[in-house]
Amino acid sequence: KAGVTQTPRYLIKTRGQQVTLSCSPISGHRSVSWYQQTPGQGLQFLFEYFSETQRNKGNFPGRFSGRQFSNSRSEMNVSTLELGDSALYLCASSSRTSGLSTDTQYFGPGTRLTVL
Amino acid sequence: AQSVTQLGSHVSVSEGALVLLRCNYSSSVPPYLFWYVQYPNQGLQLLLKYTTGATLVKGINGFEAEFKKSETSFHLTKPSAHMSDAAEYFCAVSEWDRDDKIIFGKGTRLHILP
Repeated sequence: KAGVTQTPRYLIKTRGQQVTLSCSPISGHRSVSWYQQTPGQGLQFLFEYFSETQRNKGNFPGRFSGRQFSNSRSEMNVSTLELGDSALYLCASSSRTSGLSTDTQYFGPGTRLTVL
Repeated sequence: AQSVTQLGSHVSVSEGALVLLRCNYSSSVPPYLFWYVQYPNQGLQLLLKYTTGATLVKGINGFEAEFKKSETSFHLTKPSAHMSDAAEYFCAVSEWDRDDKIIFGKGTRLHILP
């Protein structure tokens, strides 16, 4: 079974631009969560999508948004990029048979975003 | 609200020695607890998780962790370190019945000395 895939793996943008990251979950998984990982703040939960609906949201500004398609693939968008948005963005999928925080999440390798 | 504290951002042990990575949590309700490992240029992989029942949890790659409610701890151990254990380890907590999110600690980077 193929794992979680994320594209692109590396991205360089400049301040003020916007960016879209993509995540394909494990086949059969309907829940996709996004996390931001930085050296200073560690791993922070962005949001979770389940069956095309946002089910959970972390404490991030509205510049961070996402969506999920009918095939469970998810995209994350960041508008008006700031230097502080430079981070590794991780996507995780789960079958969500119960709750997000009880199921095992399977992580992708991440997209490393650098904002200049 | 729940929180996680990992003591030591870097830990070094000799190959063959005991690995002990410390994790303390704060939660107002019985928590679910997790340990994840992250190898360079890879995503996180679940090592083990505690939900209910037996407080000593065995995971993959020879790791185990013990839930101690009185100490609010969930330390990760491995009897004998291997070079391949060098990675970053994250402890996480969830208050699954109140707030369906997982909170991660800042991580501990484990270095294995030859």
